[in-house]
Amino acid sequence: NAGVTQTPKFRILKIGQSMTLQCTQDMNHNYMYWYRQDPGMGLKLIYYSVGAGITDKGEVPNGYNVSRSTTEDFPLRLELAAPSQTSVYFCASVGDLYNEQFFGPGTRLTVL
Amino acid sequence: DAKTTQPNSMESNEEEPVHLPCNHSTISGTDYIHWYRQLPSQGPEYVIHGLTSNVNNRMASLAIAEDRKSSTLILHRATLRDAAVYYCIPLYNNNDMRFGAGTRLTVKP
Repeated sequence: NAGVTQTPKFRILKIGQSMTLQCTQDMNHNYMYWYRQDPGMGLKLIYYSVGAGITDKGEVPNGYNVSRSTTEDFPLRLELAAPSQTSVYFCASVGDLYNEQFFGPGTRLTVL
Repeated sequence: DAKTTQPNSMESNEEEPVHLPCNHSTISGTDYIHWYRQLPSQGPEYVIHGLTSNVNNRMASLAIAEDRKSSTLILHRATLRDAAVYYCIPLYNNNDMRFGAGTRLTVKP
């Protein structure tokens, strides 16, 4: 199993550009999450999904959108990039809430 | 509102036990308590989780108070590689996992 994979690893965007951060897991997990982590800070939950076709907002959803058309994939969309979205983004998945959450390696995004 | 509190930072000497506290006074009877840690420049990794009774695994032990309003993560012999930010995450809402600021553990040689 590859676990949770994220692409790209790094990206620089200009203000106003859009992009999609990809997240894929091969463990058939129902729950998937997107977090952001600003320098020196803890993780903040952006969006999460409890299964294909179901998504919900977390703590900091503004400026982002998600979709969950398959169990494996949970892409995060930034429509109009802003400098405040400069952060490291982590995707995670878990089979059920009584077990271990697996994290991807992260995507480092800079918006200039 | 659900609230979790942890000390901002703690220090330990190498080879000594470390007790990392967490208060979660609004937890309900069915909310699991998870602990994760984040090593420098890495994503978080699972440490341990439990519901009511104390739990042990190869990484750590989790002691849960009888009233469940607090818990303590125990590293039995801290090593330099245990230096990390430790997050206590009670699952107040059964669907989302929210990380707070955590406790930054420094291990001194």
